[in-house]
Amino acid sequence: GESVGLHLPTLSVQEGDNSIINCAYSNSASDYFIWYKQESGKGPQFIIDIRSNMDKRQGQRVTVLLNKTVKHLSLQIAATQPGDSAVYFCAERWYQKVTFGIGTKLQVIP
Amino acid sequence: EAGVVQSPRYKIIEKKQPVAFWCNPISGHNTLYWYLQNLGQGPELLIRYENEEAVDDSQLPKDRFSAERLKGVDSTLKIQPAELGDSAVYLCASSTTSGTQYFGPGTRLTVL
Repeated sequence: GESVGLHLPTLSVQEGDNSIINCAYSNSASDYFIWYKQESGKGPQFIIDIRSNMDKRQGQRVTVLLNKTVKHLSLQIAATQPGDSAVYFCAERWYQKVTFGIGTKLQVIP
Repeated sequence: EAGVVQSPRYKIIEKKQPVAFWCNPISGHNTLYWYLQNLGQGPELLIRYENEEAVDDSQLPKDRFSAERLKGVDSTLKIQPAELGDSAVYLCASSTTSGTQYFGPGTRLTVL
């Protein structure tokens, strides 16, 4: 069946450095790929999404890259800050059904 | 603008007891979702509503779980009877049709 997964369960980054969180997906029919940030005790918060016909999209300090050839998705966070510490989920959407991966915990070292 | 509201935030019950969770979506969002999230995992869809109609309840364990969205706005998710394995965070999300899903803070359920 379709699934979304993450390569690294935990990522430690020095404050000010760039972070890269990776994700693999298997459903080539998905039309949107989404990144969510979840802080402890809170619900997932939308960060950025990308349509399947794009390969790059930029937001404020974040960039999502989509490589459909190898079914890979990444989230880049520039100048990582302590407030970026959270669990990050990639998700894929197909006909309004969103499937989440396991999550990567980002730890920012001051 | 208020986000998705859920209550209660925390609930502790004995196994075999009933429990109910309430969700108020973002105003104007016709699509409402209930998810279950186990520790360290991503949310898993239980049910999706378009207005008052449940359009996807394939992952809802119907022997003990039920949900309703009678007027197409607020929704209630019920478990009866609760089992130990139901301990998790129950998340509600809402969106416009084909829009981004916005999540509430969740209800953390502990079944003893």
